[in-house]
Amino acid sequence: DSGVTQTPKHLITATGQRVTLRCSPRSGDLSVYWYQQSLDQGLQFLIQYYNGEERAKGNILERFSAQQFPDLHSELNLSSLELGDSALYFCASSVAAGHQRGTQYFGPGTRLTVL
Amino acid sequence: AQKITQTQPGMFVQEKEAVTLDCTYDTSDQSYGLFWYKQPSSGEMIFLIYQGSYDEQNATEGRYSLNFQKARKSANLVISASQLGDSAMYFCAMRESTGNQFYFGTGTSLTVIP
Repeated sequence: DSGVTQTPKHLITATGQRVTLRCSPRSGDLSVYWYQQSLDQGLQFLIQYYNGEERAKGNILERFSAQQFPDLHSELNLSSLELGDSALYFCASSVAAGHQRGTQYFGPGTRLTVL
Repeated sequence: AQKITQTQPGMFVQEKEAVTLDCTYDTSDQSYGLFWYKQPSSGEMIFLIYQGSYDEQNATEGRYSLNFQKARKSANLVISASQLGDSAMYFCAMRESTGNQFYFGTGTSLTVIP
């Protein structure tokens, strides 16, 4: 158990809908990262927050947004869902942002299926 | 250019044997970190081992060791005495000192044969 929690574990929804994925980082970790893992794209970095502020952006679509709250939990919002958004979405956390070591610990993931 | 390259899509190893999973990286930073993660079929990503660019010794964690060759920009993972539970996808990753992203390779699927 990495100490990172993600809810829900599974999510099934229809095209055009909006969903919210939730992540709680390990105790003491200030950085949260979101990743999308699909069969054809591999593990794609989406976005990073550090202590409530956006720090880095990867291949995140405009239909997707995220935020990190004062209690450090984070939410990833996916809207106008398409079939191609079906994937495993991971949250990871680390102690610091930009520190060389900064090992990321991953949550169990949320498996999103868009029908 | 790819930041992390894993050229072995799939590998097989006999139980109790050692196996090396290849990883090469591309960076112009002097300070960076290299990581290996394991993803079993259940889906979770498990951190295995870390190597810093300035670390002179190769990292070891139990049966895992990292064969770090800085001049060749390679960071191969060595698993000794393979066990059936080692069957999984293995991802190599890098963090550069500039920027905040982790770069992941495409992974290597390891199957341990009894």
